[in-house]
Amino acid sequence: AQTVTQSQPEMSVQEAETVTLSCTYDTSESDYYLFWYKQPPSRQMILVIRQEAYKQQNATENRFSVNFQKAAKSFSLKISDSQLGDAAMYFCAYRRGDDKIIFGKGTRLHILP
Amino acid sequence: DTGVSQDPRHKITKRGQNVTFRCDPISEHNRLYWYRQTLGQGPEFLTYFQNEAQLEKSRLLSDRFSAERPKGSFSTLEIQRTEQGDSAMYLCASVPGGPRENAYEQYFGPGTRLTVT
Repeated sequence: AQTVTQSQPEMSVQEAETVTLSCTYDTSESDYYLFWYKQPPSRQMILVIRQEAYKQQNATENRFSVNFQKAAKSFSLKISDSQLGDAAMYFCAYRRGDDKIIFGKGTRLHILP
Repeated sequence: DTGVSQDPRHKITKRGQNVTFRCDPISEHNRLYWYRQTLGQGPEFLTYFQNEAQLEKSRLLSDRFSAERPKGSFSTLEIQRTEQGDSAMYLCASVPGGPRENAYEQYFGPGTRLTVT
């Protein structure tokens, strides 16, 4: 069965600094998608970034980028120039094709002013 | 608002009562997923529909839980004889489907927070 592990329950970063959230996953599939979702205190889940496993190039979305290491089954999220609005729970997630999403337990990110 | 909506946003009920939640997906999205999220955890899959057909149910979905999606539009999730362990956030997500690359993107609603006292 596929699993997603986030080893950092909480992290803090100074405003304007860079932070990296870690994620590892386990799967025997070769074709899948990986995601980082953000869940602010209002609790609506928002997609931050997506990576297709067949793409070697790491995805980027403005201040958010990933380091996708397929062989190591690692998928970290880097947030540059952290802003107060980035404070939230961040979930790493896996999906095989059009299947259900499997989420990690999340990392709570605090932004220090 | 053209996003996924859920009603109610909050529900407090006494143990043993029945509750029903509603999810309205984005129009024309043919897949609809239900997830449950307990405090401090990531969402866990419960069930999903392709149009009106319920295609998969998690082991988390005990006999007290039932979900429907009549006519392939909105969906309801009912919990009978609620227990304190049912207290959680219930999330709904809809998916456009189809062959395009972005067709499988899941769009989440705001959730229904259930508290069983």
